[in-house]
Amino acid sequence: GAVVSQHPSWVICKSGTSVKIECRSLDFQATTMFWYRQFPKQSLMLMATSNEGSKATYEQGVEKDKFLINHASLTLSTLTVTSAHPEDSSFYICSASRPGLAGGRISYEQYFGPGTRLTVT
Amino acid sequence: GIQVEQSPPDLILQEGANSTLRCNFSDSVNNLQWFHQNPWGQLINLFYIPSGTKQNGRLSATTVATERYSLLYISSSQTTDSGVYFCAVDPLSRSGGSNYKLTFGKGTLLTVNP
Repeated sequence: GAVVSQHPSWVICKSGTSVKIECRSLDFQATTMFWYRQFPKQSLMLMATSNEGSKATYEQGVEKDKFLINHASLTLSTLTVTSAHPEDSSFYICSASRPGLAGGRISYEQYFGPGTRLTVT
Repeated sequence: GIQVEQSPPDLILQEGANSTLRCNFSDSVNNLQWFHQNPWGQLINLFYIPSGTKQNGRLSATTVATERYSLLYISSSQTTDSGVYFCAVDPLSRSGGSNYKLTFGKGTLLTVNP
């Protein structure tokens, strides 16, 4: 269990266009999903927290008008990169938080999608 | 914000060797997870371990929350163990709750040679 999918797995687009990336939790409901960005040979940086039915919370320095996030259902969150530029080229990864029990306490383990490689030409 | 430091940054092993990866964090945490990122970029959950010890096959992990560190042990390493190992933590908030957000360390790049 706890499978998260992303689509597309890779995309090449021209500068100025918009790209939508979908993140789905396939076998559990996720009230909270997260979007990360990873540059080559670097760690994951959290971009935003996506809550079902409410506005996303963006990390400092992330432009909310450029990276539009929608979490319309308990199994789907989308990230739209608007007016993409070459510097937006990166590996975008989503995760979904699944509540559970660990040691008698509620746990919120995150499960990650396979990522989307975006190249803007 | 919380600082997460992983060591060593790089590790090269011969197949069959054992290794220990370390994760130090600067503040109390609600959650700690270890991941393996394979060459295709997929993060694979290894352990959810805010405290205590867990084992799964050749892998085991120990978190000593009071001393703010976690260790990941890999025994009898195989070439398929190669990749980047990340430690990520969810800091305990001032109210004692969770923000549910993970802060990642920079990772340990493990290369296992045949």
